[in-house]
Amino acid sequence: SQKIEQNSEALNIQEGKTATLTCNYTNYSPAYLQWYRQDPGRGPVFLLLIRENEKEKRKERLKVTFDTTLKQSLFHITASQPADSATYLCAPSLGATNKLIFGTGTLLAVQP
Amino acid sequence: DAGVIQSPRHEVTEMGQEVTLRCKPISGHDYLFWYRQTMMRGLELLIYFNNNVPIDDSGMPEDRFSAKMPNASFSTLKIQPSEPRDSAVYFCASTLWGRNYGYTFGSGTRLTVV
Repeated sequence: SQKIEQNSEALNIQEGKTATLTCNYTNYSPAYLQWYRQDPGRGPVFLLLIRENEKEKRKERLKVTFDTTLKQSLFHITASQPADSATYLCAPSLGATNKLIFGTGTLLAVQP
Repeated sequence: DAGVIQSPRHEVTEMGQEVTLRCKPISGHDYLFWYRQTMMRGLELLIYFNNNVPIDDSGMPEDRFSAKMPNASFSTLKIQPSEPRDSAVYFCASTLWGRNYGYTFGSGTRLTVV
């Protein structure tokens, strides 16, 4: 069955540094992959979408890469701020459908 | 737009009771999804609709769960009878296919079955 793995442990970094979160998937080939942010008690909020034919996507301080050979996506936050502290969820699509399979998320804590 | 609206925000019920969760998607969106989130299993897709028609309900755990979308602006998820293991946060999300953006989630309904 499809499996998605994200850093299971919390990621603690210092303000101003670059945070890098990893998402690995197995047993399927997504046509695109999305990243979401989730704060406690709130629903996930969409951040970025990257398609299988794109290597990299940027939005302000965020950068996502997608390596279909390695079956991996990396999510980077540059110049991190305490306000970036949240859980980040990776969500590859099930093939070319509109169905997303979510990872369990990585908790990022940015220390001032 | 007020976003995806879910009600109630919190629901506490006794085992065996019927529970109905409600969702109003963003106007104009053609897909609606119901997810369940727990610490152990993360976000699980239960069912999704396209233009009010159920497309995939393979994630619905048991016959006790049912979902409807009678029109483009309203959907319900019903659990009957409820059990303690149904306790979770239930999210509704909507999206417009073909656009380069993702799902918009509601704030969720935290269900506790005692």
